Amino acid sequence: AQTVTQSQPEMSVQEAETVTLSCTYDTSENNYYLFWYKQPPSRQMILVIRQEAYKQQNATENRFSVNFQKAAKSFSLKISDSQLGDTAMYFCAFMRAGGTSYGKLTFGQGTILTVHP
Amino acid sequence: NAGVTQTPKFQVLKTGQSMTLQCAQDMNHNSMYWYRQDPGMGLRLIYYSASEGTTDKGEVPNGYNVSRLNKREFSLRLESAAPSQTSVYFCASSEEAGQFEKLFFGSGTQLSVL
Repeated sequence: AQTVTQSQPEMSVQEAETVTLSCTYDTSENNYYLFWYKQPPSRQMILVIRQEAYKQQNATENRFSVNFQKAAKSFSLKISDSQLGDTAMYFCAFMRAGGTSYGKLTFGQGTILTVHP
Repeated sequence: NAGVTQTPKFQVLKTGQSMTLQCAQDMNHNSMYWYRQDPGMGLRLIYYSASEGTTDKGEVPNGYNVSRLNKREFSLRLESAAPSQTSVYFCASSEEAGQFEKLFFGSGTQLSVL
């Protein structure tokens, strides 16, 4: 079974600054995907960024980037130029690749991020 | 585009009552899922349907049943609600199994069981 751990229950950052959210995971799989989801107060789950384990290059999406360390089983999210709209709960998630595993996500506990003006 | 639509958005039940949570997607996705989110925890998979006509248990299926009514709709039923089922329930859908998938989530149903 896979486990995902987010060790930071809460984080805060000033607007326009950079913040990094941590995530570690445990798996015996070699092929998998990792995700960061954002959940604002509206409760909607929004995909922020995803990483395929077979890719060495770290994924980036505009102000969001990841630091994927496969050997260390670490997957951190860096938010640059933080904006007030980034205030939300952030979840790290794991998905095995192949067969009927698609769509079956294992989530971490979440990190509440507050961006201060 | 409506995406994934869940009804109701809020519900309060008494212990022992039954109810069905409805979910529909208009993206022609084959796979659909039900997750629950408890305070201080991430989402956990209850049941999923890889394609129309099939359903399978996820991580926490006890106390629930599901029906994949057609390709669009996937309902979750609580036959005899318990306080431990107080949670936020999310429905999601994704593209065909066997390909890399992105999940689309509904906005959730807040369920309280008294």
